[in-house]
Amino acid sequence: GNSVTQMEGPVTLSEEAFLTINCTYTATGYPSLFWYVQYPGEGLQLLLKATKADDKGSNKGFEATYRKETTSFHLEKGSVQVSDSAVYFCALNANTGFQKLVFGTGTRLLVSP
Amino acid sequence: DTEVTQTPKHLVMGMTNKKSLKCEQHMGHRAMYWYKQKAKKPPELMFVYSYEKLSINESVPSRFSPECPNSSLLNLHLHALQPEDSALYLCASSQDTGAGASYEQYFGPGTRLTVT
Repeated sequence: GNSVTQMEGPVTLSEEAFLTINCTYTATGYPSLFWYVQYPGEGLQLLLKATKADDKGSNKGFEATYRKETTSFHLEKGSVQVSDSAVYFCALNANTGFQKLVFGTGTRLLVSP
Repeated sequence: DTEVTQTPKHLVMGMTNKKSLKCEQHMGHRAMYWYKQKAKKPPELMFVYSYEKLSINESVPSRFSPECPNSSLLNLHLHALQPEDSALYLCASSQDTGAGASYEQYFGPGTRLTVT
């Protein structure tokens, strides 16, 4: 079946540090890949997406590249801010209908000043 | 406008109560979703509506009853819930649900439900 594996959290960083959150997936066919962010007490916001191999999604300084050869979609940011503290979910859509999202377990990011 | 709204923001209900959650979007999306999210867990899909018809029910207990009165509105009727149903209930919408294409889902802020 389809699945997404994310690194365990929390990830604790100081402001302006480099961020990497690892995400790998298992899927048949050609899934689309997403990163969602959930701030405390809020719903999920789409952060970025990639729909085919070698696509790079980017938004608000975050980037992730769809690597089919390593089945990965790692999230990176060059310099994190305190306001980036949130839970980050990696997700895939197998594109087989009804847009069913398969989520990873989520990674909490804590950024201190 | 990429906004999905949900009301109420918080809801406390007893196990014998009947209540409803409401979700609204004005993006012209034809697919709407209900998710349940427990603390420190990812969202779990409950229902999918496509063109106002129920397309997916992920074996959700009948004490949860979804309704899609029109393409902009989605309700979740609650009756005889259990304390373990306490969770954040998220609504989402997407442009369509067709296979072979990828449509991002836009989420609302959620309703935090507590069952006492």
